[in-house]
Formats: sequence, structure tokens, C-alpha cells
Amino acid sequence: KAGVTQTPRYLIKTRGQQVTLSCSPISGHRSVSWYQQTPGQGLQFLFEYFSETQRNKGNFPGRFSGRQFSNSRSEMNVSTLELGDSALYLCASSLSGTGWQEQYFGPGTRLTVT
Amino acid sequence: AQKVTQAQTEISVVEKEDVTLDCVYETRDTTYYLFWYKQPPSGELVFLIRRNSFDEQNEISGRYSWNFQKSTSSFNFTITASQVVDSAVYFCALGSSNTGKLIFGQGTTLQVKP
Repeated sequence: KAGVTQTPRYLIKTRGQQVTLSCSPISGHRSVSWYQQTPGQGLQFLFEYFSETQRNKGNFPGRFSGRQFSNSRSEMNVSTLELGDSALYLCASSLSGTGWQEQYFGPGTRLTVT
Repeated sequence: AQKVTQAQTEISVVEKEDVTLDCVYETRDTTYYLFWYKQPPSGELVFLIRRNSFDEQNEISGRYSWNFQKSTSSFNFTITASQVVDSAVYFCALGSSNTGKLIFGQGTTLQVKP
């Protein structure tokens, strides 16, 4: 079974630009969660999608948004990039997103904002 | 509020030593789930174990063991006879029963020297 895939793996953007990251969950998984990892703040929850609906959202500004498609693939978008958005963005999938299920993480997208 | 604290930022041991990684959590939920993940230098989070709040049995898997104590809100992780390949960042995480959101601790960087 293929694991969680994320594209692109590395990205360099300039302040003010926008970026879209993609995540393909494990086949059959319907929940996709996104996390931001930085040295200062650690791993922080961005949002979770289940069956194309955002079910949970973390404490991030509205510049961070996401969506999920009918095939469970998910994208997250960051508009008007700031230097502080430089981070590793991790996507995780699980069958139904309930707390008792383990989440499987992708390799992440390393975003650098200059 | 939910919170996970991993007080040990970095631990360095010599190969074959035993090492314990501490995790203390806070939650008001009566049903919750605790996880340990390993993050090797490649960046991908690897699931190690899940425990639910009703199961305080300790678990052993090879050189890994986990001690869950609700009385002290702790879920500690011990590696016996550590190996260089155990070098990684280890995260403890808390999940609730009906969402896909995980609250992560700040992580403990374990360095195992030959």
C-alpha cells in the first residue's frame, strides 16, 4: 500500500507570493490533517478535512486555507507569504480521523520564504 | 485546555544504555488517546504506539516499552539497549476521541553515540 505522498518536497517562495501544497492520503483514508513544524513553535495543527469538509481548525490566520477533493486528496494554500511561514508542512491521513486511529504522515513539504 | 509537555529537550547517551523519554499531558477529556512518534532526519513522522485513556497496561515491543500512568498524567517511553539508529526526535502527542487533531509535545532529540 502506498504511503502518504506530498508534493512538492521543497519550495522556495518570495514574501507576498502564494503557495499551494498537495497531499495524497493512503488509499481508503478519508481524513487528512495538516501540521506546520518550525524550530520555535514545534508541530502545530493547521486543519483537518474529512469527506471534503473542514472538521477542525487550528489557530492560524485566514491566509492559511485548505480543501479536500472527492478522492480525499487535499491541498493547502498560503496566501501573502511571510518570512515566518518558512516551515516543514506535514500532512497526515487516517481512516476516519477519530482520535483512536493512528495518523500516517507524509514526508512533508519544506517551504522557504525569502 | 489540552497540552503535552516533554521536558527533556535533548538527551545524549552511549550505545547500549537505556534511556527514558518523559511525557506529561493535560486534558479534561475522559476519553483520550496518547501517541508516540519518531522523526528521523528524513523528516517523516513514524507512528510507534497508541494508548487510550482506559488502558493503563504497560506495553513492550522489542527494545521499546511504554509506561502509562493516569494518576500522574504521564506516558513515558523507554528504549532499552539503545542503538545509533534510535537517534531521532521523539514526539508524544494527545488526541481526543472524535477529531483528527493531535496536540504534540515539543519533542525530545535523542542522540545515541557509538
